[in-house]
Amino acid sequence: QKEVEQNSGPLSVPEGAIASLNCTYSDRGSQSFFWYRQYSGKSPELIMFIYSNGDKEDGRFTAQLNKASQYVSLLIRDSQPSDSATYLCAVKKGGTSYGKLTFGQGTILTVHP
Amino acid sequence: GAVVSQHPSWVICKSGTSVKIECRSLDFQATTMFWYRQFPKQSLMLMATSNEGSKATYEQGVEKDKFLINHASLTLSTLTVTSAHPEDSSFYICSARVTSRNEQFFGPGTRLTVL
Repeated sequence: QKEVEQNSGPLSVPEGAIASLNCTYSDRGSQSFFWYRQYSGKSPELIMFIYSNGDKEDGRFTAQLNKASQYVSLLIRDSQPSDSATYLCAVKKGGTSYGKLTFGQGTILTVHP
Repeated sequence: GAVVSQHPSWVICKSGTSVKIECRSLDFQATTMFWYRQFPKQSLMLMATSNEGSKATYEQGVEKDKFLINHASLTLSTLTVTSAHPEDSSFYICSARVTSRNEQFFGPGTRLTVL
């Protein structure tokens, strides 16, 4: 079992729809969870992070965390073609020195006009 | 804030040569920087954790004598790929952790092609 798992997709949604991206993790001691967006040929950029159970909203993005189910998700409302990218879920384990992150394989999102 | 730069952005070299990549935090101090490698259509793989003033911690399977890391100051870490071979061709990305905060911010990456 991979430490951080994501559906590789591609996930295709129409413009204006809600895109839902999911991630599961295996280490129950994981403390913090991050969503990064990566455009082709570019490095990842941080969208948001969450470390408490529940929802966290930032503009069109909402991160949801359920530690009991070891599940974290990212919702993108009013999806735009510019949101088309690979979305990486990353997890910081508890007790990990220096804040090391473990990444999932990424989900490719395509938003079509 | 939290800008990380990398230099060079791309490099082409001959097999057997060494290549140095610099990672700088421009507007903050980073006691910890990370080096990743990403092959096409794959996710980021952590190579090593670089701590200012101490030896880097390498991930399992990463040759520390081939990938030399130096974190000389709170704003600069370097990765040197020694005796590069075509299989080392990849996208190398550094990130820096803002001290006392959770987030890691990534540099723009360096695309290395070894002929």
